[in-house]
Amino acid sequence: DTAVSQTPKYLVTQMGNDKSIKCEQNLGHDTMYWYKQDSKKFLKIMFSYNNKELIINETVPNRFSPKSPDKAHLNLHINSLELGDSAVYFCASSQDRLDAQYFGPGTRLTVT
Amino acid sequence: QQQVKQSPQSLIVQKGGISIINCAYENTAFDYFPWYQQFPGKGPALLIAIRPDVSEKKEGRFTISFNKSAKQFSLHIMDSQPGDSATYFCAASLSGAGSYQLTFGKGTKLSVIP
Repeated sequence: DTAVSQTPKYLVTQMGNDKSIKCEQNLGHDTMYWYKQDSKKFLKIMFSYNNKELIINETVPNRFSPKSPDKAHLNLHINSLELGDSAVYFCASSQDRLDAQYFGPGTRLTVT
Repeated sequence: QQQVKQSPQSLIVQKGGISIINCAYENTAFDYFPWYQQFPGKGPALLIAIRPDVSEKKEGRFTISFNKSAKQFSLHIMDSQPGDSATYFCAASLSGAGSYQLTFGKGTKLSVIP
C-alpha cells in the first residue's frame, strides 16, 4: 500500500484556470504538509496542517488554499493559475515534529 | 534567520570514496536536523536525523556530524556507491510555534562514478 499518494501525477493547464491536487495518507499521521519544488530543486514548505491548525508560509499567495476533509486527506486548491506556479508539488505527512516526513510521489504542474 | 545554507551544489565522487555535504544555520532555535535523499522523479525520503544534544550519529554508511557552537552539520557517506547518486537535502526544524515546518537547504546533487 502506498503510504502517501497524490493525484494527478501530471497536470497541464492554462493560465487563469483553477485546479486541485489531492493527497491521501494511510499512515495515521496527525500532520500533513504541502511543499513546492521549483525547477532548481529547491523545496519550500507551503502549508502544514496539524489537528486542525493550519500554518501558512507567509510567502504563499492566497490563490493557494489547502482543504482537509479529514485527517487522512489534505487537498491543494489553486485559483487563477500563473506561469510561475509551474513546479512539482509534494504532499507529506508525519506523526510528530521530530519524526520522518513521508513524501508522496509529487504532482508536476505545468501552466501554459 | 530561517535559512539553512547547503554546500556544495553538486558533488562528483569516485565509487568507494567519501562524500561530504555541509550545512550551516543561523537560528539557534532549530533543534532537529534531518537529511533527506531524493531520486529523480521521486519524493524526498528521510535518510538520517540528529538532535543538537549529540555530536555524531551513524547509520550504516551514513554519518551526521554536528557542531553546535559553529552552527554547522554535515553528512558523510562512506564507501560511496553509484546507487547513492541522488540529490541530498539538509533541513532544520524549529521548536515552538510553527514547529512542524522544515526549512530545507537548496540541495546537493551527488554523482558517484564507477
